[in-house]
Amino acid sequence: DTGVSQDPRHKITKRGQNVTFRCDPISEHNRLYWYRQTLGQGPEFLTYFQNEAQLEKSRLLSDRFSAERPKGSFSTLEIQRTEQGDSAMYLCASSKKGQEDGELFFGEGSRLTVL
Amino acid sequence: SQQGEEDPQALSIQEGENATMNCSYKTSINNLQWYRQNSGRGLVHLILIRSNEREKHSGRLRVTLDTSKKSSSLLITASRAADTASYFCALMEYGNKLVFGAGTILRVKS
Repeated sequence: DTGVSQDPRHKITKRGQNVTFRCDPISEHNRLYWYRQTLGQGPEFLTYFQNEAQLEKSRLLSDRFSAERPKGSFSTLEIQRTEQGDSAMYLCASSKKGQEDGELFFGEGSRLTVL
Repeated sequence: SQQGEEDPQALSIQEGENATMNCSYKTSINNLQWYRQNSGRGLVHLILIRSNEREKHSGRLRVTLDTSKKSSSLLITASRAADTASYFCALMEYGNKLVFGAGTILRVKS
């Protein structure tokens, strides 16, 4: 296993711009999660996929946020018309097939700064 | 969705001492997990305890779960400076969504 990979690790953008983050889960992990974490807080659930199906989406995820996992492998999280309040660490995690109630394997995160 | 509440928010101890962190929650869970996060990094899974288990050990870690009191504790024995990190309890609800608490910041002084 090469681990969960996230790209980019850091993104600085101006308010109003669109940004996209990519997550490559561990090979053959069928569940993929997105979380958002602000300074001093725990990760907040955003959404998760089982294979290519988006099973749940948090109310935190406004219409400006969209996530996809087109072929059940990598996933993208897009934020449109970014706001300063979107500044956070965006974490991706995956879980093993058949162990969906087990541990999550996290990537190192993508840190977004909106100026 | 419920969120675990950790206590204390911050803990500072000397190397070699034990560290205890607590997590309380409100409704039924499938399992409870503990994660560690070094500053600016991703989270690392430490241990998972299922709702029908009362205690689990992993190396210097000991986790207890009391479903009647809806609480869990994480004990790190013989702490080391490298244990300095944030520790989060996470509740796995039925339906397979993991919800994290706000965490305990542990500082181990050498």
